[in-house]
Amino acid sequence: EVQLVESGGGLVKPGGSLRLSCAASGFTFSSYSMNWVRQAPGKGLEWVSSISSSSSYIYYADSVKGRFTISRDNAKNSLYLQMNSLRAEDTAVYYCARQLVHSVALDYWGQGTLVTVSS
Amino acid sequence: SYELTQPPSVSVSPGQTARITCSGDALPKKYPYWYQQKSGQAPVLVIYEDSKRPSGIPERFSGSSSGTMATLTISGAQVEDEADYYCYSTDSSGNHSVFGTGTKVTVL
Repeated sequence: EVQLVESGGGLVKPGGSLRLSCAASGFTFSSYSMNWVRQAPGKGLEWVSSISSSSSYIYYADSVKGRFTISRDNAKNSLYLQMNSLRAEDTAVYYCARQLVHSVALDYWGQGTLVTVSS
Repeated sequence: SYELTQPPSVSVSPGQTARITCSGDALPKKYPYWYQQKSGQAPVLVIYEDSKRPSGIPERFSGSSSGTMATLTISGAQVEDEADYYCYSTDSSGNHSVFGTGTKVTVL
């Protein structure tokens, strides 16, 4: 069974940093591109970043480029999101999601971890 | 930046057909995908690559696309189909993904 479990969320002050993790199991992690998607309270979904299976291709939404860094460790079946210079508008539930091979569809999602940026 | 536009809400009676549209300039060249999100839950993929259904998704969900418009159709909507629905695709480069603005579907 495919499982994605996010962790690392919490309360952080504006300007602070946080590192999210996503532990993957039930599939060959190293064969899949992975994504981070976020959802602010009461708002819609926002794609944040993607990373290819071997980390060769990395893309970011304009809203986080230069502040967030996506990475992965295929040996540990883990995906990460390093978030720096956090702003109030980064407050959201952050989901990790697996990307279908040869597609951009996100077929499996974790349950999300809440990041709150507030003083 | 690239945008996908959806109507904020759609309301239908049980058994009727609900249609949700998604408009985007790159849709003639990039596949649309559709997600269902129920309150407090993670999104679920219901349609991919225009009209394909993942296993476990009821046949009443279908997708189509023409020009800059994609449509998700729920034929014979059920009460359990009440949810927010999002289209999803990429910009013309294929490198940056984007979600639509979301449509709240009410079945009552």
